[in-house]
Amino acid sequence: DAGVTQSPTHLIKTRGQHVTLRCSPISGHKSVSWYQQVLGQGPQFIFQYYEKEERGRGNFPDRFSARQFPNYSSELNVNALLLGDSALYLCASSWGGTSGSRAGFNEQFFGPGTRLTVL
Amino acid sequence: AQSVTQLDSQVPVFEEAPVELRCNYSSSVSVYLFWYVQYPNQGLQLLLKYLSGSTLVKGINGFEAEFNKSQTSFHLRKPSVHISDTAEYFCAVSAQYNFNKFYFGSGTKLNVKP
Repeated sequence: DAGVTQSPTHLIKTRGQHVTLRCSPISGHKSVSWYQQVLGQGPQFIFQYYEKEERGRGNFPDRFSARQFPNYSSELNVNALLLGDSALYLCASSWGGTSGSRAGFNEQFFGPGTRLTVL
Repeated sequence: AQSVTQLDSQVPVFEEAPVELRCNYSSSVSVYLFWYVQYPNQGLQLLLKYLSGSTLVKGINGFEAEFNKSQTSFHLRKPSVHISDTAEYFCAVSAQYNFNKFYFGSGTKLNVKP
């Protein structure tokens, strides 16, 4: 089975530009979460989407936005890029449900990330 | 909210020696705990997780961790490290009611020397 995939692998942008990062979750997974990992730090939570609805948001400015599509893939958009947005952006997927026969913990699987460099 | 402190930013160790990477967490609610490994230019790979039950958790590649609720710790151990264990290790916590939102520590770089 294919794991979580992210595109592109690497990206170079200049300050003020806009960027779109893409994530395809594992087949059957309905939840996608986005994390930002600045060099030398641990990943920080940006967003979680489940069944196309935003379920959580981290402490990031409104320049960051995301959406989830009917096929459960997701996009992360960042407007007006700053030098400080340079980071590895990680996507994680899980089944995501919190009720029914699969209620309870279900594991998140991380993709390889997109390396964004802002010049 | 939850938070994680990894007490050592770098840990040098010789090959075949034992190692312990320390992790302390803070939370007012019940949590799940995780250790991830990240090799250079790669994503995160799950080493092990604590959900409930036995406080000693065994993971992949010979790693294990012990959950200590009274000390709010979840230290990672390996009795004998290999060169291939050189990587960065992240401790993470999530609230049981919102397990898709992880809080990560700042990471510990394990450098195994021959």
